[in-house]
Formats: sequence, structure tokens, C-alpha cells
Amino acid sequence: AQSVTQLGSHVSVSEGALVLLRCNYSSSVPPYLFWYVQYPNQGLQLLLKYTTGATLVKGINGFEAEFKKSETSFHLTKPSAHMSDAAEYFCAVSKTSGTYKYIFGTGTRLKVLA
Amino acid sequence: GAVVSQHPSRVICKSGTSVKIECRSLDFQATTMFWYRQFPKQSLMLMATSNEGSKATYEQGVEKDKFLINHASLTLSTLTVTSAHPEDSSFYICSAPDQRTQETQYFGPGTRLLVL
Repeated sequence: AQSVTQLGSHVSVSEGALVLLRCNYSSSVPPYLFWYVQYPNQGLQLLLKYTTGATLVKGINGFEAEFKKSETSFHLTKPSAHMSDAAEYFCAVSKTSGTYKYIFGTGTRLKVLA
Repeated sequence: GAVVSQHPSRVICKSGTSVKIECRSLDFQATTMFWYRQFPKQSLMLMATSNEGSKATYEQGVEKDKFLINHASLTLSTLTVTSAHPEDSSFYICSAPDQRTQETQYFGPGTRLLVL
């Protein structure tokens, strides 16, 4: 069975500081990995995903994540936080074939301090 | 990117009534759609997979008679919460996979259900 762990339900950073949101997964086979962002009372928007190929994946809004198989991690980073980055971030995994059902982590709420 | 809509965005109903939530893929077809439930400040839990032309597949612990799913066309799936009770109050979100890259899902804006 697959599972996702997001360490830190709340993360606060100063505007302009590095953003690091952690995601570790458990899967019997290498999964597909995703980061989604959710703004209040809205649905989820895809930030980036890893399926195959380059392990460093760049997404929208300056975010990137690196798939590290040895560490079973897919941490999300952004060099410089902006006030508009304040939101809930979810890491998710899916199998790589069949019906791509997502297993979500518990989410990390990012707060950006002025 | 592709757009998924949900209607209504918010609904308040009395206990014992049924509520229907629509999920539409606006500019693409979706033979499969997914329904999630999200409790306040918690993650999304997959409830069921909606399949066009066949029965929905429910996740373990989800009552199929309570949460009726109908995938009426390639662009519409509906979730009906039957005989709603206060504990059914939640944020319901649907998603549909990208036609080309099926692993990518597009999410609707969600429907907030409040049962009094």
C-alpha cells in the first residue's frame, strides 16, 4: 500500500526566505509524485509532478522538487517566498499504471511573514 | 489547462434531505472522475471513482447507498448525498484526469455542504 507523510502541518517563513516543504512516501514500487496547492475554499492546482526522467522537477510559481529514491522523498522548495505563496500544500502519490488514484498527505499550511 | 467545474459551490440543507452535487469537465472528456471529501484543515480522502457507463468504485468504508454516484456522460458526474446528516457536512471535491497524461488530475473548486 502507498502512503504519504508530510512533516510539519504548519510552516512559517519570512518573505524572501527559502521555502522547504517536506514529503516522504512509502510505496512498493516507484510511484508518480505530485505537489498541489490549495487556496482557501478552492480546489487544488497542480504545482509540479514527477513521473519519469529528470529527478529535479520545476513547476509553476518558481517551485521545484527533487525526487530522491534512496530517501523516498519529494521535498518542495522555492528560493524566495512571496506573500502570495501562503496556502495549503499537498503532496500526493499514485501508481504508475491503471487508474491513477491519488493518496494525499495531510497537507502543510504555509504562512509567509512580512 | 483544463477546467473542472462543480455546482453548487455551497449548499445548506436540513437533516434528512438529499443533496446533489455536479462535477463537469468543461473542455475535455472524462471517462473517469474522482470524488474526494475534505474535512476542515485535513487532507483529501478519496471516496470513489466514477466511471462513465458503469458503476462507481467506492473506497473502503464509504457507504455506496449513502453517496450515490452517477456518471451520466463523458463530461458529467454527480454525487448525491442521501438522507444527509450533520456528520456529512464537509467539503466535497471532484477531479478528472487529463486526457493525454492520465496521471495528472484537474480539480473542481469544491462544494461546501452544511447539514443542519
